[in-house]
Amino acid sequence: AQKVTQAQTEISVVEKEDVTLDCVYETRDTTYYLFWYKQPPSGELVFLIRRNSFDEQNEISGRYSWNFQKSTSSFNFTITASQVVDSAVYFCALSRFQGAQKLVFGQGTRLTINP
Amino acid sequence: DTEVTQTPKHLVMGMTNKKSLKCEQHMGHRAMYWYKQKAKKPPELMFVYSYEKLSINESVPSRFSPECPNSSLLNLHLHALQPEDSALYLCASSFEGSGGTQYFGPGTRLTVL
Repeated sequence: AQKVTQAQTEISVVEKEDVTLDCVYETRDTTYYLFWYKQPPSGELVFLIRRNSFDEQNEISGRYSWNFQKSTSSFNFTITASQVVDSAVYFCALSRFQGAQKLVFGQGTRLTINP
Repeated sequence: DTEVTQTPKHLVMGMTNKKSLKCEQHMGHRAMYWYKQKAKKPPELMFVYSYEKLSINESVPSRFSPECPNSSLLNLHLHALQPEDSALYLCASSFEGSGGTQYFGPGTRLTVL
């Protein structure tokens, strides 16, 4: 069975602080995909990143960075110099490798950036 | 253009009504999905269509009936819903190949009275 755990239900920080969202996953598959999505109050799920299980390189995109560690089954997401527009619910998700598969989501972390 | 559109944005219906949700994508994706999301919960998969054929049904009650008329369109027909079916219904699409990223539409907020 696949499972994703986001232990942080809510995080609140002041603008310009750095913040890290944790994601721990469980799977018996040797190959799989990991994702992060952002859901602002409007409701649409916005794709942020996809990482496959055989690529452990960390990734940076502007103020966003992701740390994938297969040894600890973690795929953490850091926002540097946070901004009010970063306020949203962030979901980490896992899918199997083959074909069109369901996304198994974590419970989500509600991030509030205060001015 | 990574855009999935959904209509209507909001829908209020009675328990005896029949209504449909519509989803459209023009990205050439051959896999399309329906998810249901209750407040403060993650999305939960309902159905997956692959090459216009239903490939996954997550034991969804028969009052929800999906339809994929062609590779760009996905409908969800609703009949005799219950108040507990009130939720945000999200459509997504992806390439059918392994690890295809799912791109989501803005969702339809459904209220069942």
